[in-house]
Amino acid sequence: EVQVVVSGGGLVQPGQSLTLSCTTSGFDFADFGITWFRQAVGKGPEWVGFIRRAASGGTSEYATSLRGRSIISRDDSKGIAYLQMNSLKTEDTAMYFCIRNQVGDWGQGTPVTVSS
Amino acid sequence: DIQMTQSPSTLTASVGDRVTITCRASQSLGGWLAWYQQKPGKSPTLLIYHATTLETGVPSRFSATSSGTEFTLTIASLQTDDFATYYCQQYASDIRLFGQGTKVEI
Repeated sequence: EVQVVVSGGGLVQPGQSLTLSCTTSGFDFADFGITWFRQAVGKGPEWVGFIRRAASGGTSEYATSLRGRSIISRDDSKGIAYLQMNSLKTEDTAMYFCIRNQVGDWGQGTPVTVSS
Repeated sequence: DIQMTQSPSTLTASVGDRVTITCRASQSLGGWLAWYQQKPGKSPTLLIYHATTLETGVPSRFSATSSGTEFTLTIASLQTDDFATYYCQQYASDIRLFGQGTKVEI
């Protein structure tokens, strides 16, 4: 069974950093890219970024709102992808999700609250 | 960035109605468009990918078409379970934006 579980959310102060984990099982992680999304309360969904599989270069792309403040990485040996967010702002407060590939059901997310 | 313009923002309909939602892209997407459904308090679920391909398990009353940079999602006969918000999302470019959403309400 394919499982994709995001974790690591929490309450942080503005300017701090936070790293979310996207832990997977049930498929060959190395064969898939991982996409990150987020959604703030009462707002529409937002694409956060994407990391390609190693065979496609393993490179990442980022939403304009997070470029320069975020790093998406992956550990193919563990089947985990990471979203490191730095210099967090109050507007980064949202539920964060990860999926395998480019589109798919979002499943359960992890909440990130940026507040002083 | 490839921008997505979705319309209408709200759609009032009744059970049994045929409903159509439109997304227009600012550039060609090569078919790389998805449609999502989101119910209140739930995370989005995938309905359509590659512009017209129905995700496994999605009822056949949902269908989609594409013509150039215009994409449509149609619900052939609206059911109670279909009252939700629908979003299109392009995944053709490095920056992958969503449409503004269409809330389908009674």
